[in-house]
Amino acid sequence: QITLKESGPTLVKPTQTLTLTCTFSGFSLSTSGVGVGWIRQPPGKALEWLALIYWDDDKRYSPSLKSRLTITKDTSKNQVVLTMTNMDPVDTATYYCAHLAVWFGELLPFDYWGQGTLVTVSS
Amino acid sequence: DVVMTQSPLSLPVTLGQPASISCRSSQSLVHSDGNTYLNWFQQRPGQSPRRLIYKVSNRDSGVPDRFSGSGSGTDFTLKISRVEAEDVGVYYCMQGTHWPLTFGGGTKVEIK
Repeated sequence: QITLKESGPTLVKPTQTLTLTCTFSGFSLSTSGVGVGWIRQPPGKALEWLALIYWDDDKRYSPSLKSRLTITKDTSKNQVVLTMTNMDPVDTATYYCAHLAVWFGELLPFDYWGQGTLVTVSS
Repeated sequence: DVVMTQSPLSLPVTLGQPASISCRSSQSLVHSDGNTYLNWFQQRPGQSPRRLIYKVSNRDSGVPDRFSGSGSGTDFTLKISRVEAEDVGVYYCMQGTHWPLTFGGGTKVEIK
């Protein structure tokens, strides 16, 4: 059974760096064909993909946020960490992590999601 | 970036009646490997998104067969054959053919 859970601060100040952790179970990021992605959703708005990391440590970022994002994995702890620098009130959103699979070269994204964590950016 | 445009924005439906959501992409979603990576997600009120459909028309495990996906190229449709109360929520299409991954703006399904 695959589960994911996001953790991190609920409130950050403008210009600060946000660090979010996704702790998962039911799969290993050392297994070929597995990945974890981050997606966010501002209140009342649509979903926005941010970044993802594959089992082989290949990483992909949203170009619009690439300069501010870093995604890493700790296979031994079953965790993926996302950092976002220079936070702004427009970054207020629920941040989700989600499992993805690569099956015979085919990207099958986000079949399992965490519950999400609301991050508010305010002074 | 590939822009995903959904319509309508809001879809009031009578229980037991069909519903149809359109999703159009700004460029073809046919990948060089021949597959079309178009996914549909459901987000019920207060819940995380849930994937319903992958690669245009493949239903995920546990998804009722009243949900179906179709389309090709740049034009895709999610259909609910008979809407039930538990189908209320926002539906998103998402393309996985081109980087960056992009979502549509969402369609809110509500009961009349």
